[in-house]
Amino acid sequence: ETGVTQTPRHLVMGMTNKKSLKCEQHLGHNAMYWYKQSAKKPLELMFVYSLEERVENNSVPSRFSPECPNSSHLFLHLHTLQPEDSALYLCASSQDFSRPGNTIYFGEGSWLTVV
Amino acid sequence: DAKTTQPNSMESNEEEPVHLPCNHSTISGTDYIHWYRQLPSQGPEYVIHGLTSNVNNRMASLAIAEDRKSSTLILHRATLRDAAVYYCILRSGGSNYKLTFGKGTLLTVNP
Repeated sequence: ETGVTQTPRHLVMGMTNKKSLKCEQHLGHNAMYWYKQSAKKPLELMFVYSLEERVENNSVPSRFSPECPNSSHLFLHLHTLQPEDSALYLCASSQDFSRPGNTIYFGEGSWLTVV
Repeated sequence: DAKTTQPNSMESNEEEPVHLPCNHSTISGTDYIHWYRQLPSQGPEYVIHGLTSNVNNRMASLAIAEDRKSSTLILHRATLRDAAVYYCILRSGGSNYKLTFGKGTLLTVNP
């Protein structure tokens, strides 16, 4: 248990579906992140939120839409995805996004398959 | 971004120490050295981090070279549960806060 919980753990969706991934952190952190991990590729940072404000949007296609209603919750809304978007989506949090000594805590990830 | 270089894979025997090397010759004075590991089908897990001095925690030790251009993660007694991909990452502050993952080192532990 890292204190970062992601749901669902597994999701299969069609290319015309709309679904959402949810992340909740119980650590009192101010920063939250979405990462994508495709097969045999390094983790890619997608979005960073600090105190509910987006501070990073790493050239992510608009079919991925993040939402951070408060500092404990982070969503990734998915619509009209492509099969190549199938990947492990990881949520993470840290006390502060800009302090290099902070530890980042990851959830177990949501496995997404687009059919 | 400052880069790190790690071997693609390493092998160890159970109960033996493991030394995982990382080169970071372009490290800047404010870069922290972080190590994470990722077990199969799980998210990355924090292992240890340091700036200049060697660090110890319940999971591992981090030995940092005097010139900071390299570091070594030490697992004192490898177990089967330590089989994972180990990532050595440099993290800066301010506008360079990103935790950027490379390919890491795949550690295999033999029984």
